[in-house]
Amino acid sequence: DSGVTQTPKHLITATGQRVTLRCSPRSGDLSVYWYQQSLDQGLQFLIQYYNGEERAKGNILERFSAQQFPDLHSELNLSSLELGDSALYFCASSLAGAGYYNEQFFGPGTRLTVL
Amino acid sequence: AQKVTQAQTEISVVEKEDVTLDCVYETRDTTYYLFWYKQPPSGELVFLIRRNSFDEQNEISGRYSWNFQKSTSSFNFTITASQVVDSAVYFCALSEPEKGGSEKLVFGKGTKLTVNP
Repeated sequence: DSGVTQTPKHLITATGQRVTLRCSPRSGDLSVYWYQQSLDQGLQFLIQYYNGEERAKGNILERFSAQQFPDLHSELNLSSLELGDSALYFCASSLAGAGYYNEQFFGPGTRLTVL
Repeated sequence: AQKVTQAQTEISVVEKEDVTLDCVYETRDTTYYLFWYKQPPSGELVFLIRRNSFDEQNEISGRYSWNFQKSTSSFNFTITASQVVDSAVYFCALSEPEKGGSEKLVFGKGTKLTVNP
């Protein structure tokens, strides 16, 4: 158990819908990262938050957004869903910040299926 | 540009065989970190090791060992006396400094290892 929790574990929805994925980082970790794992794209970085502020953006679509709350949990919002958004979405956390490169610990993932 | 290449898509071995998973990376930076993660069939990503670019010492942890060679930009992973429980997809990843200090990981495509009894 990495200490990172993600809810829900599975999500099945229809095209055009909006969903919210939730992540709670390990106790003490200030950074939260979101990654998408799909068969064709592999594991791709989406976005990072550090202590409530956006730190970096990767290949995140405009239909997707995220935020990190004062209690450090994070939510990833996916809207106007398309079939191609079906993937495993991971949240990871680390103590990292200001150049510290600590390992990222991953949550169990949320498997999103868009029908 | 950061890039990680895991040329071996799938490897199949028989239990007790040794197996090496290859990882080649590209980076323009002199300071970077390399990682290996394991993804068993259950789907979670399990951290195995972190190595910084200034430390080329090989590392051994039980049946696992890692060989980091900057001259060839490689960070290979060897499992000695493989076991069925080692069956998983293994990912190599790279992290390097960026403007704003992001520590994002760039992953390779992964190598699926199957250990047969």
